[in-house]
Amino acid sequence: GQNIDQPTEMTATEGAIVQINCTYQTSGFNGLFWYQQHAGEAPTFLSYNVLDGLEEKGRFSSFLSRSKGYSYLLLKELQMKDSASYLCAGVLKAAGNKLTFGGGTRVLVKP
Amino acid sequence: DTGVSQDPRHKITKRGQNVTFRCDPISEHNRLYWYRQTLGQGPEFLTYFQNEAQLEKSRLLSDRFSAERPKGSFSTLEIQRTEQGDSAMYLCASSLVPEAEAFFGQGTRLTVV
Repeated sequence: GQNIDQPTEMTATEGAIVQINCTYQTSGFNGLFWYQQHAGEAPTFLSYNVLDGLEEKGRFSSFLSRSKGYSYLLLKELQMKDSASYLCAGVLKAAGNKLTFGGGTRVLVKP
Repeated sequence: DTGVSQDPRHKITKRGQNVTFRCDPISEHNRLYWYRQTLGQGPEFLTYFQNEAQLEKSRLLSDRFSAERPKGSFSTLEIQRTEQGDSAMYLCASSLVPEAEAFFGQGTRLTVV
């Protein structure tokens, strides 16, 4: 299948860490993306993983395990402006290499 | 290059009317996607192009929806005989290659009344 699953909503406190998990059920995997989307705006690129391991970019890190079909996005030192939806998306060879999104995880950062 | 642009940004139409949206991708990008997004959901795949070739159209899409990319540059998405359920944000995205970051336009918000 081509399902990409992630939690619907998460709440965290300013300054804390939040981890958003994403699982995908497919073979022929060709890359995993994370996007951030603020309400009423277009998605913006955060990270791309194609090999196993952790990619770090400032306060944001993304991890991939291809054997487990699993990724997570880690947001550290949360700020109020991080309140947004975070979209997990996969490029799937079996699906003609098209970019397919999960339902998104809405993160609410509280003071 | 100013990125992916979409026109119009907003469209209000009466049920039963036809609407057409335009997307201008980043100039050297070969891959172009159309998605539909409703409140609280992730972008739902509609169709995509590699240059001028339409490679796939979602099975969820009725025959009222059609898209073109005639010269491998800009693309249009047409919805015929609009229904209230078509109300959504329509997003266009482009990428250089399938495995590269896709850049999104600001979207066209359609309201069918």
